[in-house]
Amino acid sequence: GAVVSQHPSWVICKSGTSVKIECRSLDFQATTMFWYRQFPKQSLMLMATSNEGSKATYEQGVEKDKFLINHASLTLSTLTVTSAHPEDSSFYICSARDTGTDTQYFGPGTRLTVL
Amino acid sequence: QKEVEQNSGPLSVPEGAIASLNCTYSDRGSQSFFWYRQYSGKSPELIMSIYSNGDKEDGRFTAQLNKASQYVSLLIRDSQPSDSATYLCAVNKINSGYALNFGKGTSLLVTP
Repeated sequence: GAVVSQHPSWVICKSGTSVKIECRSLDFQATTMFWYRQFPKQSLMLMATSNEGSKATYEQGVEKDKFLINHASLTLSTLTVTSAHPEDSSFYICSARDTGTDTQYFGPGTRLTVL
Repeated sequence: QKEVEQNSGPLSVPEGAIASLNCTYSDRGSQSFFWYRQYSGKSPELIMSIYSNGDKEDGRFTAQLNKASQYVSLLIRDSQPSDSATYLCAVNKINSGYALNFGKGTSLLVTP
């Protein structure tokens, strides 16, 4: 299957700082990428849909000014958690849609811990 | 009503048995259905996709879809201890591009 990478795989930061997470499709072009968040024992919750060359579409309840998404190329989307707080600590997972197979492939996830 | 519902389990089956995982969804307009496997601390891994009513087989896995009943299932034959994981049912979100709604997942434990 197609490969999606995420960087970093884990990050620990202080409250009030910003953290950038990268999501890359390595062997296919992805016009659409998705960002999910998963708290312990919970399912994946869609945060936003990232479209190459246009503004992201955020799900209800997700603050667009706090979670900045940029999809500048067909293989890269970034999520920046601004002014992070402990309640933002979670497992952030991106996925990229391979239009050729109509399948979403997930990155390995980034575990964010805000102290 | 939650959009995608699954029994959280845990579902325990002996090695070599058939594991049956079920999922219901609320939006009749949904067209794409997926089963993902997620090991603890890892991201989901696609097992199967299904788009039409009926059965779809891939190795030890069979997905079943019944759109009239808004029901999708996954059968795992000859279950192995390595199949122990959480299985997530995902359904495409209507009017949201290709985004997916996930169920909470069913925890499967295959005992030797």
